Amino acid sequence: EAGVAQSPRYKIIEKRQSVAFWCNPISGHATLYWYQQILGQGPKLLIQFQNNGVVDDSQLPKDRFSAERLKGVDSTLKIQPAKLEDSAVYLCASSLLRSSGNTIYFGEGSWLTVV
Amino acid sequence: AQRVTQPEKLLSVFKGAPVELKCNYSYSGSPELFWYVQYSRQRLQLLLRHISRESIKGFTADLNKGETSFHLKKPFAQEEDSAMYYCALRASGSARQLTFGSGTQLTVLP
Repeated sequence: EAGVAQSPRYKIIEKRQSVAFWCNPISGHATLYWYQQILGQGPKLLIQFQNNGVVDDSQLPKDRFSAERLKGVDSTLKIQPAKLEDSAVYLCASSLLRSSGNTIYFGEGSWLTVV
Repeated sequence: AQRVTQPEKLLSVFKGAPVELKCNYSYSGSPELFWYVQYSRQRLQLLLRHISRESIKGFTADLNKGETSFHLKKPFAQEEDSAMYYCALRASGSARQLTFGSGTQLTVLP
């Protein structure tokens, strides 16, 4: 079974520039998550999709971050304009359903450095 | 709101010694607790969950609701156990998001 795929793996941009990350979840997984992991901290949920609908985006900085999952499969996370404090690993994850007993599978992450 | 605390950022033990990674949580409802592990240059993966009451790679964890803890234990550590370990809590409710602790880097010395 193929895992969660993410690209690009690494990105360096200057502050105030924009960046986009792409995620392809495991086939058939209805739930997709984007997490932000700052160095030395645990992953923090940014947004959660159920199919193509947003379930929880309460911790997404909506003035600069946006995410979409138009067809209920792939997803993109965009940051515009980027700030220095956005330097982090952006993890995409997916699960079959949101309910108990469903394992969440993580991608390898997209490493962002803002200079 | 839920919170997960892992008090130790770094933990070193010798091979064959017992290891315990601490995890405490705060949540008003009935939580699901998990341990995730990230080996060097690998992706984050589920190690075990409290509802399964299983032992994975020799690791066990018991949910203690009185002490609001979910410590991870292994009686005899192996060098291949060296990794970053994250405790996580999934709340009840419609979103059921996963909240992670800040992680403990375990190093098993030869």
